[in-house]
Amino acid sequence: AQKITQTQPGMFVQEKEAVTLDCTYDTSDPSYGLFWYKQPSSGEMIFLIYQGSYDQQNATEGRYSLNFQKARKSANLVISASQLGDSAMYFCAMRDDRGSTLGRLYFGRGTQLTVWP
Amino acid sequence: EAGVAQSPRYKIIEKRQSVAFWCNPISGHATLYWYQQILGQGPKLLIQFQNNGVVDDSQLPKDRFSAERLKGVDSTLKIQPAKLEDSAVYLCASSLVRQYNEQFFGPGTRLTVL
Repeated sequence: AQKITQTQPGMFVQEKEAVTLDCTYDTSDPSYGLFWYKQPSSGEMIFLIYQGSYDQQNATEGRYSLNFQKARKSANLVISASQLGDSAMYFCAMRDDRGSTLGRLYFGRGTQLTVWP
Repeated sequence: EAGVAQSPRYKIIEKRQSVAFWCNPISGHATLYWYQQILGQGPKLLIQFQNNGVVDDSQLPKDRFSAERLKGVDSTLKIQPAKLEDSAVYLCASSLVRQYNEQFFGPGTRLTVL
């Protein structure tokens, strides 16, 4: 069963506007971690933000915030004031916190974000 | 702080040949991961090491893939013999411990199997 679902293959946003990238996850474990990574065309995976399942507040890192809705099992990434350099593929991932697969990240298929001037 | 290093960056081989990738994690990171990223998909974990021991290799095709992490630092991933469907980017990542809230990725090795 797919653990991470990203339903938006592509998103477009104008420079300086905010954009939300959707992510839903599936787990029955109470303990897990949620990540967002950015992958530019050069290929490296750049860590953006992390949310633990027990964290009470939504995570924020500069222009990035994670809208964590535990009951709905969603972990949407919000990018405020988009910049041209934000154009990239964005991956949502969930870390397994149980047993032998502790530490394993499950990735979604990604959302290609394009920022236009 | 130096990041995760990988080499080579690109490799082209013919099917049935063998290939090896090398990874040097961030200094002090106990956990090392190898992921396979097929074009158009997210990365998929192949194997996870804690120091020099394997802790998760359930998704590694063991008939052709092998990996080792000698002395708990550098790691090598080998494919022998390669198949067309092994064409992908192989990403190495490391973290302080398995349940850490950040995994740092290297630049990846793009493998093309002809």
